[in-house]
Amino acid sequence: NAGVTQTPKFRVLKTGQSMTLLCAQDMNHEYMYWYRQDPGMGLRLIHYSVGEGTTAKGEVPDGYNVSRLKKQNFLLGLESAAPSQTSVYFCASRPGGPTDTQYFGPGTRLTVL
Amino acid sequence: GENVEQHPSTLSVQEGDSAVIKCTYSDSASNYFPWYKQELGKGPQLIIDIRSNVGEKKDQRIAVTLNKTAKHFSLHITETQPEDSAVYFCAASIGGGSYIPTFGRGTSLIVHP
Repeated sequence: NAGVTQTPKFRVLKTGQSMTLLCAQDMNHEYMYWYRQDPGMGLRLIHYSVGEGTTAKGEVPDGYNVSRLKKQNFLLGLESAAPSQTSVYFCASRPGGPTDTQYFGPGTRLTVL
Repeated sequence: GENVEQHPSTLSVQEGDSAVIKCTYSDSASNYFPWYKQELGKGPQLIIDIRSNVGEKKDQRIAVTLNKTAKHFSLHITETQPEDSAVYFCAASIGGGSYIPTFGRGTSLIVHP
């Protein structure tokens, strides 16, 4: 049981390039979330999903797109990367019942030059 | 929306001392308050949580207290050890459903041997 995994762990992009971050969970969780973490800012929600085929905007969605074609995967896309998107990105998942615990992945450190 | 304030941003203690981290929230509808520990280079991990129908909860050396009237909750760590050194985040949300927590900005706890 690997829990929540994220690919890649590190990435450097040039301004204007695109990329996709992959989050996978093997716990059959319904809910999945993408956060970004910046120094002194805590965790800010980018997008989330309440089930396969669904997505919704969080607090800071601009510049990002997401897809959840399969229950176990949640993809975060940057179509045209900007230096302001330099951050550490965390994925989390949560069961669909009343349990409220979020399980976080190890993170992806993204630098946009 | 919900706003969570967390203090202090940095806390330095000697091994064996107690550490207290405080959070306040703004939305009286919030009823679920988790605390996460984030070690360097890792994702946040839930260490303890409390619901609004409970005033205090303990788990070995850690405890959380909740004052709904004053809208604040605190994390208490007793007999601190060097391995307690990490960043701690509080969060507040309306439990259940899509569960969108609002996180505090984090407290960096340093335990000196």
